[in-house]
Amino acid sequence: AQSVTQLDSQVPVFEEAPVELRCNYSSSVSVYLFWYVQYPNQGLQLLLKYLSGSTLVKGINGFEAEFNKSQTSFHLRKPSVHISDTAEYFCAVRSYSSASKIIFGSGTRLSIRP
Amino acid sequence: NAGVMQNPRHLVRRRGQEARLRCSPMKGHSHVYWYRQLPEEGLKFMVYLQKENIIDESGMPKERFSAEFPKEGPSILRIQQVVRGDSAAYFCASSPGLAGPPFYEQYFGPGTRLTVT
Repeated sequence: AQSVTQLDSQVPVFEEAPVELRCNYSSSVSVYLFWYVQYPNQGLQLLLKYLSGSTLVKGINGFEAEFNKSQTSFHLRKPSVHISDTAEYFCAVRSYSSASKIIFGSGTRLSIRP
Repeated sequence: NAGVMQNPRHLVRRRGQEARLRCSPMKGHSHVYWYRQLPEEGLKFMVYLQKENIIDESGMPKERFSAEFPKEGPSILRIQQVVRGDSAAYFCASSPGLAGPPFYEQYFGPGTRLTVT
């Protein structure tokens, strides 16, 4: 079984400041890792994914994430945020194996202050 | 290529009524997944279907909920005798193939927001 923990339910940040959203996971099998963004009253959009290879993954909108196997973490970062980044961010995992479901964290609400 | 389509986008039902949520996967996709997002929570897996088959329903409540993905037409998530606790956003995702390597991404629809009064 897999689980995902997002320690921060809300992160307030000033515009143009850097931000890190934390994500830890646990799994007894190999997993793919994802970050999704959800804007108010909308569906989910994939920000980035880690499948294999380089542990630093770059995504859309200037976001990046680093996979750390020893710490079972996949933190999301952006060096300079914009008002338009205000949204809910979900970390998620999916097993390599036959089960196809995605396991989501509880989400982190990023609010950007001008 | 149109994305995953869900309708209706908003649905209001009184307690005891039935709710039917529809999902049309992306063209060429034969795998559909349903997830539920309760207020202030993350998404929780409900069911995974292929055409005419339920592959994994481990996240489906035992009673009142059912899902199908017929050979023709959209996938349907059906909730009978709705209760206030069913109020949530229901998201559908589709993918072209199986889990595991090679990787197949799940593409999400805009969701159906169900309100039970």
